[in-house]
Amino acid sequence: IAGITQAPTSQILAAGRRMTLRCTQDMRHNAMYWYRQDLGLGLRLIHYSNTAGTTGKGEVPDGYSVSRANTDDFPLTLASAVPSQTSVYFCASSRIAGEYNEQFFGPGTRLTVL
Amino acid sequence: GQNIDQPTEMTATEGAIVQINCTYQTSGFNGLFWYQQHAGEAPTFLSYNVLDGLEEKGRFSSFLSRSKGYSYLLLKELQMKDSASYLCAVGDSNYQLIWGAGTKLIIKP
Repeated sequence: IAGITQAPTSQILAAGRRMTLRCTQDMRHNAMYWYRQDLGLGLRLIHYSNTAGTTGKGEVPDGYSVSRANTDDFPLTLASAVPSQTSVYFCASSRIAGEYNEQFFGPGTRLTVL
Repeated sequence: GQNIDQPTEMTATEGAIVQINCTYQTSGFNGLFWYQQHAGEAPTFLSYNVLDGLEEKGRFSSFLSRSKGYSYLLLKELQMKDSASYLCAVGDSNYQLIWGAGTKLIIKP
């Protein structure tokens, strides 16, 4: 692995179903982030983790949950998917949380909720 | 509230110069980032400014004026591969990045 990987690449999901988007990084970065990107809007932060064992809510956390059991993995769970959660989801990481937190992005997961 | 403004779309000619502007209003300021995003791909880092002035990196330069809440990205000697969206992001008081919607740059031969 080099950088950040996300799985699946794309998914079509029925409304009401539970879904976990996976994110793994091998750069030993402390901070990790989940964003959603919708047409005409900037990237919006869903949840973040400044270090393993801690998580925080971003701008649009409702309907999503995360965990950070170790440094490398940061899964995002949709407990009961709704059509408004149709989006492209990007996982990102940075060496540290704080000043100059250049973020590196995974390839994204394109999720469609019907 | 927090706000990042940048033009939705710009068109330029191969070999020319283009300037993409970004204005921001955020709670606190901890640096301004520019990212490039090709269609269907992830954003990739281009530049970082935390002090006023111009940062030059090859064909790309980025300028910051903190007093004016303003930045621009300057792309010289445009190439077809520069066709992409350019995202402006500002670190707020919590060091989280606030993102603009991006400027889609179209390069014509």
